[in-house]
Amino acid sequence: GAVVSQHPSRVICKSGTSVKIECRSLDFQATTMFWYRQFPKQSLMLMATSNEGSKATYEQGVEKDKFLINHASLTLSTLTVTSAHPEDSSFYICSARAIAGGSEAQYFGPGTRLTVL
Amino acid sequence: AQSVTQPDIHITVSEGASLELRCNYSYGATPYLFWYVQSPGQGLQLLLKYFSGDTLVQGIKGFEAEFKRSQSSFNLRKPSVHWSDAAEYFCAVARSGGSYIPTFGRGTSLIVHP
Repeated sequence: GAVVSQHPSRVICKSGTSVKIECRSLDFQATTMFWYRQFPKQSLMLMATSNEGSKATYEQGVEKDKFLINHASLTLSTLTVTSAHPEDSSFYICSARAIAGGSEAQYFGPGTRLTVL
Repeated sequence: AQSVTQPDIHITVSEGASLELRCNYSYGATPYLFWYVQSPGQGLQLLLKYFSGDTLVQGIKGFEAEFKRSQSSFNLRKPSVHWSDAAEYFCAVARSGGSYIPTFGRGTSLIVHP
């Protein structure tokens, strides 16, 4: 089946630094990629939707200058958390959408655990 | 906007027992409905989905779910639970038609006792 990878799986950083998380679709081209944030024992909250070569569409309440998304190719999207603070500590999950045979499918990465000290 | 409620935060069952995880949704029309499973350190895996047609949907790993429009529900069931089924389960709903973006419930943690 289709595989989506994320790197790194865990990252610990100091407050004020920036962190980049990569999301790759390994064996398919993703028309659209999504970034989610998950707090403990809570649901996945959609942060933004990105299409290759276009600016990301951010959900209400998500700071686009804080969470920079770049979708440079059909297999790679990056999320950069700029000037990270402890409240940005969370589990970040990406997902990639593929279209095959006229039907859509969405595949999720394993997530990245960000801890900001 | 659509929303989904998973009323149970935790469910504990014995191995071999049957399982039902509840999911209720709010949407004005017939939505797209999904169940995902998340094991520790892994991404979400799609168990099954309902778009249209037969309201009883069969999924992977022996799971099934039934769409009940009158109750706005899409409960997940399995007749006999295995220890490896212990995980977090998410119900999701999306607007039907075109490219969909699921809205997730908060999840139900399944604990399986030997």
